[in-house]
Amino acid sequence: QSVLTQPPSASGTPGQRVTISCSGSSSNIGSNTVNWYQQLPGTAPKLLIYSNNQRPSGVPDRFSGSKSGTSASLAISGLQSEDEADYYCAAWDDSLNGLLFGGGTKLTVL
Amino acid sequence: QLQLQESGPGLVKPSETLSLTCTVSGGSISSSSYYWGWIRQPPGKGLEWIGSIYYSGSTYYNPSLKSRVTISVDTSKNQFSLKLSSVTAADTAVYYCARSGTPIAARPNFDYWGQGTLVTVSS
Repeated sequence: QSVLTQPPSASGTPGQRVTISCSGSSSNIGSNTVNWYQQLPGTAPKLLIYSNNQRPSGVPDRFSGSKSGTSASLAISGLQSEDEADYYCAAWDDSLNGLLFGGGTKLTVL
Repeated sequence: QLQLQESGPGLVKPSETLSLTCTVSGGSISSSSYYWGWIRQPPGKGLEWIGSIYYSGSTYYNPSLKSRVTISVDTSKNQFSLKLSSVTAADTAVYYCARSGTPIAARPNFDYWGQGTLVTVSS
């Protein structure tokens, strides 16, 4: 069981806005930045959001991140079929002195 | 364009040592701007950070694996390596190497990834 808690699944229809949550604690999300990764089936993860809300070059602005206290969220607006993937949050944990990943959320586009 | 490629045996026997190498091309592993890391993913499961290394050799390891893990860097070959000792079936996973786009160990953002290599632990 991951210390960063994500819902195992999420879904939406094309064009909708969906959000995926990531809940942690004061030693990880509460004191460090959060990154989000997208993993399409059969491929390596891809950095989607870094430093809570920054998008790497090439990531559409449909993807946005936010953080408040010990929780973070990834929002996807204008949902597209190609967004169907697993999404992982990640944050450094000061107590463990190591990087934590959330358990992952499988997004289904209905 | 930066590329990372994992290499090593796809099958390791229980109790033996898993050894993988990540070869970096299109960029220098000696850059002071990045950390380099290993992440694994058991079949059908989530991601687990194994550890990270700086070009100087400074390392950070996952506490749950620390007693069995060694990550090293060879700047002359533009490679970094992973050794995981005393493996069991629970270590069966796809192993990824990746670059963290920051020189701050506590802020890893893995922006370039290898394709991953499946390592199976079985006799």
